[in-house]
Amino acid sequence: DGGITQSPKYLFRKEGQNVTLSCEQNLNHDAMYWYRQDPGQGLRLIYYSQIVNDFQKGDIAEGYSVSREKKESFPLTVTSAQKNPTAFYLCASSTGGRGQPQHFGDGTRLSIL
Amino acid sequence: KQEVTQIPAALSVPEGENLVLNCSFTDSAIYNLQWFRQDPGKGLTSLLLIQSSQREQTSGRLNASLDKSSGRSTLYIAASQPGDSATYLCACFTGNQFYFGTGTSLTVIP
Repeated sequence: DGGITQSPKYLFRKEGQNVTLSCEQNLNHDAMYWYRQDPGQGLRLIYYSQIVNDFQKGDIAEGYSVSREKKESFPLTVTSAQKNPTAFYLCASSTGGRGQPQHFGDGTRLSIL
Repeated sequence: KQEVTQIPAALSVPEGENLVLNCSFTDSAIYNLQWFRQDPGKGLTSLLLIQSSQREQTSGRLNASLDKSSGRSTLYIAASQPGDSATYLCACFTGNQFYFGTGTSLTVIP
């Protein structure tokens, strides 16, 4: 079945540590997105990529980094510069183009030890 | 910047009732609007997408409407079931990204 796979489901970070969240899709979608979801808040865009080897900052990119070396993969690194990383992280993809429907993975919950 | 609001934040209804969830947005220059369902601890499942040129979309017991001029969308759920219990989010595509509301948490009581 085609879909988006996020791993791990749960992740714990120590102070000063970088961690990387994985997102893989087999939908042959061009565009991929990373969102952060906090309790009582809507999803906020961290980074997005419309094509391989290109990505753009979203509204809350500070403390995060991404890469897009392959069409099917869009990993997100939460760096030590992100002082409040505890949140639910969601990856999405779409065929690209403005306003195409987004399809989501099951998320990764990141907590601080 | 687009702001999306969903009211109420939470809603409880008895099984079998018809209900309406509301979504409002500040910038009417949207390309489309998408409704999602989110179960606890899970990702988002797409329910309906309405293009800016459309006024409504239907899928089974769900009907979504869009009024761009007034900045509003509604999601109508007919004959609600306990399995409909979830958080429902709307998102508007404006500029280069989707903007999400904070969601309405729906509980359908058997």
